[in-house]
Amino acid sequence: GEDVEQSLFLSVREGDSSVINCTYTDSSSTYLYWYKQEPGAGLQLLTYIFSNMDMKQDQRLTVLLNKKDKHLSLRIADTQTGDSAIYFCAESIGDMRFGAGTRLTVKP
Amino acid sequence: DAMVIQNPRYQVTQFGKPVTLSCSQTLNHNVMYWYQQKSSQAPKLLFHYYDKDFNNEADTPDNFQSRRPNTSFCFLDIRSPGLGDAAMYLCATSRATASTEAFFGQGTRLTVV
Repeated sequence: GEDVEQSLFLSVREGDSSVINCTYTDSSSTYLYWYKQEPGAGLQLLTYIFSNMDMKQDQRLTVLLNKKDKHLSLRIADTQTGDSAIYFCAESIGDMRFGAGTRLTVKP
Repeated sequence: DAMVIQNPRYQVTQFGKPVTLSCSQTLNHNVMYWYQQKSSQAPKLLFHYYDKDFNNEADTPDNFQSRRPNTSFCFLDIRSPGLGDAAMYLCATSRATASTEAFFGQGTRLTVV
């Protein structure tokens, strides 16, 4: 199975908050990342969190890290249609390991 | 300006015909990675270079090779592409492994006919 697990789909209404969840397995991960991938494009780094932090906020994005449960979440406030994409969680344990991605659909 | 550039964006090759995908970077990063991403799946690391040191993932098929002639360029060679090798191939760079950020190219979508 995947070392990094995510639910595959999330659908929200424009203006609502989106919460994308991820679990990882390696407690020695140094950094945890969220990447965004739009159709036909490469991966764009959205944000990352160092493993000794619990929370990081960056404009509309909030990352929460629960090291005990190896759980990472990404909250997008005031979700817009332009946020529709696939969001990948990744852990860094020397090299980067990705989850399968969560497809976020934002409905008007 | 693009910092990690992959060429071409789309590549069609014949079954069994060798093909090379190209990646270049303007960041002077030490590490360059190649990932394979199939539809609706996570990017899968094939190999990476730390400077000239090549690191192959254990389950990367022998059909896949890589070359890094200098800091800026890295190539992915597929010696005998099969239908199962059709995928998006992503190149990425980082200053070091376990770095704060990896920069990705736009990817090359490979079709095998």
